[in-house]
Amino acid sequence: DAKTTQPTSMDCAEGRAANLPCNHSTISGNEYVYWYRQIHSQGPQYIIHGLKNNETNEMASLIITEDRKSSTLILPHATLRDTAVYYCIVRVGGGGSQGNLIFGKGTKLSVKP
Amino acid sequence: KAGVTQTPRYLIKTRGQQVTLSCSPISGHRSVSWYQQTPGQGLQFLFEYFSETQRNKGNFPGRFSGRQFSNSRSEMNVSTLELGDSALYLCASSLTSSGGTRELFFGEGSRLTVL
Repeated sequence: DAKTTQPTSMDCAEGRAANLPCNHSTISGNEYVYWYRQIHSQGPQYIIHGLKNNETNEMASLIITEDRKSSTLILPHATLRDTAVYYCIVRVGGGGSQGNLIFGKGTKLSVKP
Repeated sequence: KAGVTQTPRYLIKTRGQQVTLSCSPISGHRSVSWYQQTPGQGLQFLFEYFSETQRNKGNFPGRFSGRQFSNSRSEMNVSTLELGDSALYLCASSLTSSGGTRELFFGEGSRLTVL
């Protein structure tokens, strides 16, 4: 089973920041938080990941609480093309298997004009 | 550089038949994973291959199998197809290393319909 809890759906106005929460209260010390998204009829796309510190890349920012029990993905200026299902995943990082992600139901983000 | 390529993109089979799906990873990627996506169960991990060896397997029956070739290309096979095998089958590739983390790059998927 997925180790994360996300809202089923969210709406966001175009041009505004989209803040997607994720609860991972049972996260272990060596588990990373990953975010992927899936636009309709396409394969999932990697967005960002982090362990303890906040992370930022060209797509988004990831804010992880100090106790690591929750995190927020921030899309700073959402566009219509950001409409997708967003998955928050926790998994052990480091060496070994990298491919067996456990996807939950995700959050369906709808960006509206 | 070219992304993950999956073939065929769409196919229709009948119950009892078998199917083979192909995946070409991103050049230089040595790990290939397979996922099944259905409306009811969402995205579920099937198996992962690295250097021609299966490293992990999800909770699927033995009718689902796979292999990886020396050039890292991978195939998965489903035998004795059932209606419930209708799904989008996704392949993902990644670099692997002894440390650090590596993201997965997914293909567009092969949509299988079993009649």
